[in-house]
Amino acid sequence: GAGVSQSPSNKVTEKGKDVELRCDPISGHTALYWYRQRLGQGLEFLIYFQGNSAPDKSGLPSDRFSAERTGESVSTLTIQRTQQEDSAVYLCASSLGFTVAKNIQYFGAGTRLSVL
Amino acid sequence: AQSVTQLGSHVSVSEGALVLLRCNYSSSVPPYLFWYVQYPNQGLQLLLKYTTGATLVKGINGFEAEFKKSETSFHLTKPSAHMSDAAEYFCAVSVHPIGAGGTSYGKLTFGQGTILTVHP
Repeated sequence: GAGVSQSPSNKVTEKGKDVELRCDPISGHTALYWYRQRLGQGLEFLIYFQGNSAPDKSGLPSDRFSAERTGESVSTLTIQRTQQEDSAVYLCASSLGFTVAKNIQYFGAGTRLSVL
Repeated sequence: AQSVTQLGSHVSVSEGALVLLRCNYSSSVPPYLFWYVQYPNQGLQLLLKYTTGATLVKGINGFEAEFKKSETSFHLTKPSAHMSDAAEYFCAVSVHPIGAGGTSYGKLTFGQGTILTVHP
């Protein structure tokens, strides 16, 4: 596609429910990243994918968070048993690769998650 | 580990005035530095980046930044502000693993962001 696409753009859920956030990266981009932006705070790294593999999951805040990527394309970030502190904008980014020249990250508009 | 500090969560300038957004970083290895801009309800857009070479980097929309290793700074400037520059600006750092053959997985560490307001 022309850019990184994320869906839904907004999600309101009740505490304790599970949510799935979707990211469609730019076609051909090997690298995919998830970040979280909580109100009044900067962006924090969650996880990245190299192809379909996630070598670094150190940024995931708890075991309620998981992510997968299939076909070296779409990625899904799942939050189980949502808590109010999960409320944030979740941003996805993709890049051509991991060399210095290729690692320009293009961001989607994000999914705004509100946990009531 | 690396970190980024942006001085001033809000900066207000008059249209036509100089824009200066401050960014200081901490990194134990040579950093790669970035400035991103975020307009309301949009994703982040890359303004400019520094990897190696010339320390004065020019970006889009008339912005530029200078990497000063001795000051661990990467301040963003624009000589003359325009109303359309009003947005939130993020400084970010990633690191290049020494000896990794020129690759880095590119995890970005961001500052807290600076909201730029431009008034007539």
